[in-house]
Amino acid sequence: DVKVTQSSRYLVKRTGEKVFLECVQDMDHENMFWYRQDPGLGLRLIYFSYDVKMKEKGDIPEGYSVSREKKERFSLILESASTNQTSMYLCASSNGQGRDTQYFGPGTRLTVL
Amino acid sequence: AQSVAQPEDQVNVAEGNPLTVKCTYSVSGNPYLFWYVQYPNRGLQFLLKYITGDNLVKGSYGFEAEFNKSQTSFHLKKPSALVSDSALYFCAVRATGSNTPLVFGKGTRLSVIA
Repeated sequence: DVKVTQSSRYLVKRTGEKVFLECVQDMDHENMFWYRQDPGLGLRLIYFSYDVKMKEKGDIPEGYSVSREKKERFSLILESASTNQTSMYLCASSNGQGRDTQYFGPGTRLTVL
Repeated sequence: AQSVAQPEDQVNVAEGNPLTVKCTYSVSGNPYLFWYVQYPNRGLQFLLKYITGDNLVKGSYGFEAEFNKSQTSFHLKKPSALVSDSALYFCAVRATGSNTPLVFGKGTRLSVIA
């Protein structure tokens, strides 16, 4: 079975802190994704990556950056956390074909105070 | 541009009754279509997908979905609902021939009442 893990289930940070959210997948998938989920807004894509050291902006990249130094790991960075970044963050991975399923991690619920 | 509409924010159904969660999509060309389920404070769990071929797709936990090209729909169905089916359901689309990220609908909350 595909396994996508995220470093924390719950995280509480203060405004202005630098925050790292880590995601690891164990299926040698090429593609990795970061979404945020907010009530009434569904899933919104923040960043994605098709390969190591590659990154592409999604729909809402402002205030975020990413790092993919190894194929299995995709990190989301909040350079200076703000209260409007309080959300559920979901990581996903998939193989390189369009028909392939995206598999999701359990999510990190981030609260910024 | 690709998009997905889930016209109902909430669907209520009695246990044992059939359930339908609606999804319509817009995409250039042919679609790949997916359904996911999310239980409280959990990530999204894959249910089923339509790639090509038979319009009726069967998935996990007794769910199925029917692809209707003329109506650009991919409704999720189950013949007999269980209380444990209560969750948030997401439909997603990607155009065939592309490897772009899935585009998701806003989700439909299903409540199955005993």
